[in-house]
Amino acid sequence: DADVTQTPRNRITKTGKRIMLECSQTKGHDRMYWYRQDPGLGLRLIYYSFDVKDINKGEISDGYSVSRQAQAKFSLSLESAIPNQTALYFCATSDLGQDSGEQFFGPGTRLTVL
Amino acid sequence: GQNIDQPTEMTATEGAIVQINCTYQTSGFNGLFWYQQHAGEAPTFLSYNVLDGLEEKGRFSSFLSRSKGYSYLLLKELQMKDSASYLCAVRDSNYQLIWGAGTKLIIKP
Repeated sequence: DADVTQTPRNRITKTGKRIMLECSQTKGHDRMYWYRQDPGLGLRLIYYSFDVKDINKGEISDGYSVSRQAQAKFSLSLESAIPNQTALYFCATSDLGQDSGEQFFGPGTRLTVL
Repeated sequence: GQNIDQPTEMTATEGAIVQINCTYQTSGFNGLFWYQQHAGEAPTFLSYNVLDGLEEKGRFSSFLSRSKGYSYLLLKELQMKDSASYLCAVRDSNYQLIWGAGTKLIIKP
């Protein structure tokens, strides 16, 4: 069973539509992250959350919002999608108590905005 | 600004050794990570260095020099399944990961 799951895995939508990407984890980690990945660029952090009551903007938060509904769930919303938000989106988790703090990634959501 | 540099693409032969370099300039340093990412899949953790020196883990080793802002990932006895992108990431003073664009490694028979 996957420890970090993302739904949907693929989504095609139109400009102006509201989209929600969901992430769930069974690892019991406190910290969760949303990244986007574009060809030729590194992963870029959109939002991160260190616990249910803690939400922080990342490098590229404009045009996105998030909700941490529970320790295990972290959702990313695009209120009004635009074509340059076409990308591969990853959710990740990490454990506060682990020395390295390595991040564990979900399988990704490929989003296309037409 | 913060910057992570690594070669865009490298080619190597099955059974050989390859070294993938990473240089970084970040606001603070709290560890360097290497991840492997197969096409269309999620990145998976390979190694973590926070002190200078070499960390060995099976066929993979990672080296860090903090004074030079430099790391490398060494892959030995290359196998076809090692064809993937290798991502270098540095954790900065805010404990956020800054990611390089990745090095696509092509393994030829």
